[in-house]
Amino acid sequence: GEDVEQSLFLSVREGDSSVINCTYTDSSSTYLYWYKQEPGAGLQLLTYIFSNMDMKQDQRLTVLLNKKDKHLSLRIADTQTGDSAIYFCAETNAGNNRKLIWGLGTSLAVNP
Amino acid sequence: DTAVSQTPKYLVTQMGNDKSIKCEQNLGHDTMYWYKQDSKKFLKIMFSYNNKELIINETVPNRFSPKSPDKAHLNLHINSLELGDSAVYFCATGLAASNEQFFGPGTRLTVL
Repeated sequence: GEDVEQSLFLSVREGDSSVINCTYTDSSSTYLYWYKQEPGAGLQLLTYIFSNMDMKQDQRLTVLLNKKDKHLSLRIADTQTGDSAIYFCAETNAGNNRKLIWGLGTSLAVNP
Repeated sequence: DTAVSQTPKYLVTQMGNDKSIKCEQNLGHDTMYWYKQDSKKFLKIMFSYNNKELIINETVPNRFSPKSPDKAHLNLHINSLELGDSAVYFCATGLAASNEQFFGPGTRLTVL
């Protein structure tokens, strides 16, 4: 079945850029997503990218998609302490009953 | 107005009891989901409903029974609670075209 993998931890200094990586196996992926979960809260959709796009930028966030390598990344510029959270990568395709396949989440720690 | 709401936020109960968690959405989305997030933050889909019809049932024990009285509500009833049911349960809704999902704040269930 489809799988999504992420590294579990990332630590950066405040002001640096963070890059969170994700790989997936689904060749028919249509949409890929990044969600953020702050402690004690629900998941919040940060951004998503359609599979025919290479890049999407939204303020401090840049999503890069390499469809050939099935690699998705999320870059956070000028990382702040408020960016400390768990970041989940997910993907879906047109034929799986609107089910998202989720990564295990990357815990981002931002150090002052 | 809260887009996806869940009640209760916290639920502490004894093993063997039966409990329900309620979810309501005011986004007008057709699809609703229940997820379970364990103590390691791993997110697992349990059920999804589309227009009150069960679409996804991910090998969840039949002690768990979802009920969708209308498009805006998806409740989760759990019989004979076990220690392993302790987790945070999230309700979510999904947009049809892009399958973006919007999460509720979660219900933390503790089974003693």
